Amino acid sequence: QSVLTQPPSVSGAPGQRVTISCTGSSSNIGAGYDVCWYQQLPGTAPKLLIYGNNNRPSGVPDRFSGSKSGTSASLAITGLQSEDEADYYCQSYDVSLSGFYVFGTGTKVFVL
Amino acid sequence: QVQLQQWGAGLLKPSETLSLTCAVYGGSFSDYHWTWIRQPPGKGLEWIGEIIPRGSTNYNPSLRSRVTISKDRSKAQISLRVSYVTAADTAIYYCASLRNWKFEYWGQGTLVTVSA
Repeated sequence: QSVLTQPPSVSGAPGQRVTISCTGSSSNIGAGYDVCWYQQLPGTAPKLLIYGNNNRPSGVPDRFSGSKSGTSASLAITGLQSEDEADYYCQSYDVSLSGFYVFGTGTKVFVL
Repeated sequence: QVQLQQWGAGLLKPSETLSLTCAVYGGSFSDYHWTWIRQPPGKGLEWIGEIIPRGSTNYNPSLRSRVTISKDRSKAQISLRVSYVTAADTAIYYCASLRNWKFEYWGQGTLVTVSA
């Protein structure tokens, strides 16, 4: 039950910049909980891409950046490369009911 | 570097119990919360639940009545049980570490299919 909404797909040519939005509510992103982003290549487990809204784990290129404002967050990919073609998910925490971790609906990035 | 290796039965009949185990290698087992996440084929990710260092658990409200997560600290393993499975439980199941609100290390995933 995804409570974070993402566009189904975005696309861009190599070298371009694309952004993926993640829309939540006052019980998750808007409540101040951090947003993480994950990249999932076909047939593999998700990989942590961004944590704490805008921090990159070691080894993640600085072409990937995150931001958060109000009840939404965004992931930007600059200098798009063919290997960036993957599914991307945002993630946060929701305090409704008894509290649980939530993921976005997922966005497929196509490199034209 | 933390590595997770998971295993369990991949084909179940409706009403049976799903059982998976995840072994943790490297790092400190007690430094993390340990979680299970699932992904139906072609769909998005769903958090199932977590077990925290002192042993208490938290579950997704949508699955709470059927899910049990446990751990064996001596073996550095965590386990998942989901009772009374249906076709809707068909998914790839992942174990993952959780610390500071992020899922940093993931298992390789186990496809569990529920079919009569």
